[in-house]
Amino acid sequence: EDQVTQSPEALRLQEGESSSLNCSYTVSGLRGLFWYRQDPGKGPEFLFTLYSAGEEKEKERLKATLTKKESFLHITAPKPEDSATYLCAVQAVGGGSNYKLTFGKGTLLTVNP
Amino acid sequence: GAVVSQHPSWVICKSGTSVKIECRSLDFQATTMFWYRQFPKQSLMLMATSNEGSKATYEQGVEKDKFLINHASLTLSTLTVTSAHPEDSSFYICSAIKFARSVGSYEQYFGPGTRLTVT
Repeated sequence: EDQVTQSPEALRLQEGESSSLNCSYTVSGLRGLFWYRQDPGKGPEFLFTLYSAGEEKEKERLKATLTKKESFLHITAPKPEDSATYLCAVQAVGGGSNYKLTFGKGTLLTVNP
Repeated sequence: GAVVSQHPSWVICKSGTSVKIECRSLDFQATTMFWYRQFPKQSLMLMATSNEGSKATYEQGVEKDKFLINHASLTLSTLTVTSAHPEDSSFYICSAIKFARSVGSYEQYFGPGTRLTVT
């Protein structure tokens, strides 16, 4: 069974204090790893898809990296508007449902001004 | 990014009634859409996969006769909660697959969600 574990569950940072969120996964074969941002009462907002170990993607203050066992979401010099829950999800090769995602429980990030 | 909409954004209904939620991909065609539910402070749980022109595929433990899914066109999927009960109260979110230009690349975009409260 595919499993996704995110840590920490919650993270509180000061504005400008860089940090990283972790997503550890166990899948029979990774087809893709996804990062989303979710604000309270809203649907997840797509951030990145990573397909193979060693791949990196960047968007503004966010950078996602991927190894064979985990992914990191690095946040550089965060601002209060980066406060949200960050979700990690994986899609396994040969899953019963095409493009089915298994989500982690998320990391609640709070950035204080 | 691509846009997926849901309607309504929130709905309150009485126990025993049925509620229909619409999910639309606004600027792309989606042969595959998904329906999730999310309880407070928990992650998304996949309910079913909606395929245009064919029957939906339900996850284990999801009652297909209670949660009716219809994917009538390449831009619209509907979820009908039949004979709703208070335990069906939740945040329902749909998503749609958009294929990128690179072969094998795709992105999954989510709608804004629908808050269902059954009284």
